[in-house]
Amino acid sequence: AQSVTQLDSQVPVFEEAPVELRCNYSSSVSVYLFWYVQYPNQGLQLLLKYLSGSTLVKGINGFEAEFNKSQTSFHLRKPSVHISDTAEYFCAVKGASGTYKYIFGTGTRLKVLA
Amino acid sequence: KAGVTQTPRYLIKTRGQQVTLSCSPISGHRSVSWYQQTPGQGLQFLFEYFSETQRNKGNFPGRFSGRQFSNSRSEMNVSTLELGDSALYLCASSRGQGVDEQFFGPGTRLTVL
Repeated sequence: AQSVTQLDSQVPVFEEAPVELRCNYSSSVSVYLFWYVQYPNQGLQLLLKYLSGSTLVKGINGFEAEFNKSQTSFHLRKPSVHISDTAEYFCAVKGASGTYKYIFGTGTRLKVLA
Repeated sequence: KAGVTQTPRYLIKTRGQQVTLSCSPISGHRSVSWYQQTPGQGLQFLFEYFSETQRNKGNFPGRFSGRQFSNSRSEMNVSTLELGDSALYLCASSRGQGVDEQFFGPGTRLTVL
C-alpha cells in the first residue's frame, strides 16, 4: 500500500520569492510520483511527473521537483513565484506495476502575496 | 481533442435523496476514476472502472456505486444522501494501462441540504 503526506496545508510567499512545497511518501513497491495543480473552480492539471531516470524533473510553469529515494520525498520547487501561481497543489503516488490506484496527498494551498 | 466532461456541474439535493453524476472521458481512454474532494481531506479515491469492470475500490460505504458503459462513459450514484456527502466529485480518465497520466474533469459540486 502507498501513502502520501503533504505536511504544509498552507504556504504564503511573496511574489518573486522562491517556494518549496513538501511531499513525502511511503510504499512497499516502486512508485511513480506526480504533482498536480488545482485553480479555483477547476479540476486538477498535471504539473510534472517522475517515472524513472533523472531524479530532477521539470514541469510546466517553471516548476521542478526532485525525487529522493532515500528520504522518500518528492518536493516541488519554483525559484520565483507569480501571483498567478496561487492555487492548491497535490502530490500523488502510484504503484509502478500492476493496477495500483493513485493516492493523493491532502494538498497544499499556495498563496502568493503582492 | 475534447477533455473530460462532467455533468451536471452543480447539484443541490436534500438528505435521503439519491443522485447520479456523469463523466465522459477523453476519446480512447478506457479507465475512469472517481474522487471525492472535501476541504482538509484532499482527494479520496472512490473507485476506478476499466473496460466496464470495477478495477479498484476505495473505502466508501455501499451507498456509493458506479458503472461504466461500453463507450467508456461512467456514472456514479449516491443513494440516501447525507450532509457529509457534500463535496466536489472529480472524474479522471486515462488509457488505463502502463504509465498513464490521469486527466481530470472540472468536477460536480454536490450540496446536500
